[in-house]
Amino acid sequence: DSGVTQTPKHLITATGQRVTLRCSPRSGDLSVYWYQQSLDQGLQFLIQYYNGEERAKGNILERFSAQQFPDLHSELNLSSLELGDSALYFCASSVMGGTGELFFGEGSRLTVL
Amino acid sequence: GENVEQHPSTLSVQEGDSAVIKCTYSDSASNYFPWYKQELGKGPQLIIDIRSNVGEKKDQRIAVTLNKTAKHFSLHITETQPEDSAVYFCAASMGGGTSYGKLTFGQGTILTVHP
Repeated sequence: DSGVTQTPKHLITATGQRVTLRCSPRSGDLSVYWYQQSLDQGLQFLIQYYNGEERAKGNILERFSAQQFPDLHSELNLSSLELGDSALYFCASSVMGGTGELFFGEGSRLTVL
Repeated sequence: GENVEQHPSTLSVQEGDSAVIKCTYSDSASNYFPWYKQELGKGPQLIIDIRSNVGEKKDQRIAVTLNKTAKHFSLHITETQPEDSAVYFCAASMGGGTSYGKLTFGQGTILTVHP
């Protein structure tokens, strides 16, 4: 158990809809990362937050947004969903200034029909 | 941006044999190279990492080598066991401060160890 909790584990929705994925980082970790894993794109970095502030952005679509709350949990919002958004979405957390190790949750599997 | 190529995509070995997975990266500014193992239904888990000021690192049956000039790094697993069967990912980042976690991953290698 990595200590990172993601909900929901599975989500099925229709095109055009909006969903929110939630992540609770390990106790004490200030950095939260979101990654997308799909068969065609592999594991791709989406966005990073540190102590409530956005720190880095990757290939995140404009239809996607994220935030980190004062209690350090994070949410990834996906809107106007398309079939191609079906993927596993992972959250990871790390210690600021630590060894660099990311601790991944078990992911949220999104299926868009 | 950074691009990481990983080979082979699948690797099948007999228990007790060695397994080698190779990765190349494109951005010479990258200085942190972790390897993650992903088991079915789980998130990736760090197994070993190396920084650009080191050429080789070992941890029991696992070792990683880095050739900065050629921009490639490799994972070596010796005395493989069935529980080593998983998907292995290499990654690269321009580490420093909070940047370690912005990783560019390779496409993954499915390792199967036959008893």
